Amino acid sequence: EPEVTQTPSHQVTQMGQEVILRCVPISNHLYFYWYRQILGQKVEFLVSFYNNEISEKSEIFDDQFSVERPDGSNFTLKIRSTKLEDSAMYFCASSGGQGLNIQYFGAGTRLSVL
Amino acid sequence: QKEVEQNSGPLSVPEGAIASLNCTYSDRGSQSFFWYRQYSGKSPELIMSIYSNGDKEDGRFTAQLNKASQYVSLLIRDSQPSDSATYLCAVNLNGGYQKVTFGIGTKLQVIP
Repeated sequence: EPEVTQTPSHQVTQMGQEVILRCVPISNHLYFYWYRQILGQKVEFLVSFYNNEISEKSEIFDDQFSVERPDGSNFTLKIRSTKLEDSAMYFCASSGGQGLNIQYFGAGTRLSVL
Repeated sequence: QKEVEQNSGPLSVPEGAIASLNCTYSDRGSQSFFWYRQYSGKSPELIMSIYSNGDKEDGRFTAQLNKASQYVSLLIRDSQPSDSATYLCAVNLNGGYQKVTFGIGTKLQVIP
C-alpha cells in the first residue's frame, strides 16, 4: 500500500541551527502539507503546497520556515534558525487526484531543539 | 477563529461495549469531516471520512454527521483493547484541497 515516507525519524539540533525535514509523498498525489504537533497539543497546520507553490500557510509558518519540492519525489521543510519552541513532531501529508481531500500522513519526524 | 472541539477524555469503556466519541465544529461552511486514530508517539491514521448528513458505516466504525447542529460523532462497536488510542476529529472547509483543522482528540481506553 502506498505511503508517505519521512526522514529522519528523529532529529536533534542546537538552537539557531538550520534543519531540513524530508518527505516523499504518495506518488500520484498532487497536494502536499506539513503539520506539527507539540507534545500534548493539537495537530496544527503549517503549510500546503500545490503545483510548485505554497497554496496556504498558517501564522506559525513565518519567515524562518520554507518548503521546496526539489525534484519529482521529495518535499522538504526547512527551518532556518531553530528555536526551543520548534521542538515538536512534524508530519508530512499528501492528498489528491480523486476529488476528495483525504490526507494521508507520514510517520513523522521528531525534532528536538537543545 | 475556526475551531474543532472535542472532550479530551479519557473515555473508558469495557471490552465489547460501544464507544461514542463526539466533536463539534464552529464553521458552518465546513464540507469534509474526518476521524483519525493516533497511537501515542505515532502519526494520525485515517479511520473514516464523511461528507453528507447521516450515518456512514465501515466495519465496527460508524461516523455520524449533522451539519445543522455542527456535530460529528464516531461510534466504535465491540470495542477492543487495541482500539485504545486518541481519536482526532478533523474538519476541512469548502471541500477543496485545503488544510484540515484538528481537535485536541479524545483519549479512549478500552478495559479488558
